[in-house]
Amino acid sequence: GAGVSQTPSNKVTEKGKYVELRCDPISGHTALYWYRQSLGQGPEFLIYFQGTGAADDSGLPNDRFFAVRPEGSVSTLKIQRTERGDSAVYLCASSLERGETQYFGPGTRLLVL
Amino acid sequence: DQQVKQNSPSLSVQEGRISILNCDYTNSMFDYFLWYKKYPAEGPTFLISISSIKDKNEDGRFTVFLNKSAKHLSLHIVPSQPGDSAVYFCAASAYSGTYKYIFGTGTRLKVLA
Repeated sequence: GAGVSQTPSNKVTEKGKYVELRCDPISGHTALYWYRQSLGQGPEFLIYFQGTGAADDSGLPNDRFFAVRPEGSVSTLKIQRTERGDSAVYLCASSLERGETQYFGPGTRLLVL
Repeated sequence: DQQVKQNSPSLSVQEGRISILNCDYTNSMFDYFLWYKKYPAEGPTFLISISSIKDKNEDGRFTVFLNKSAKHLSLHIVPSQPGDSAVYFCAASAYSGTYKYIFGTGTRLKVLA
């Protein structure tokens, strides 16, 4: 079956611009997660959705970052007033239920110039 | 403070031999551990996991060992194949059923033909 998909695969933007990153989880997976991976580091947790609600957004670095999952499937990570330090690979994962193994998408590589 | 540490950034092994990747953790509340493999330009792929109630889990060529007293886990790949060349991340979570994975920084494995 289809895995987690993320679009775009690459995004180049200028400092101060707004970006949206999209995640399509595996069909039927109720839990969805966003992670960020900087160069030379492992993925770092950003936010977790159970259904439509953000159950834990404690990993979001500041209020420029926001994520939604309005219908309990596709999720969008939104970054306002991007900064060069936001450059990273943004990974989305989904799991059948909370606590089940997380399956990752290929990531969106964001470069802020 | 890095709660999950992979102290070897890289490892080279001859094809057919054993690869041993190590991971240390500091948080005694961690009770579920996973290994992911990552190829360039792809997302992490789940390999194998282990619960703290076990000290060994095996899946084909991959075996994970957990030493709770030493707060150490290792991934053994036997025999190693060139296609195993990738970056390997260990991850941990506290309390089975939780969702927040804490990742190490990864070990790049190169299997030489």
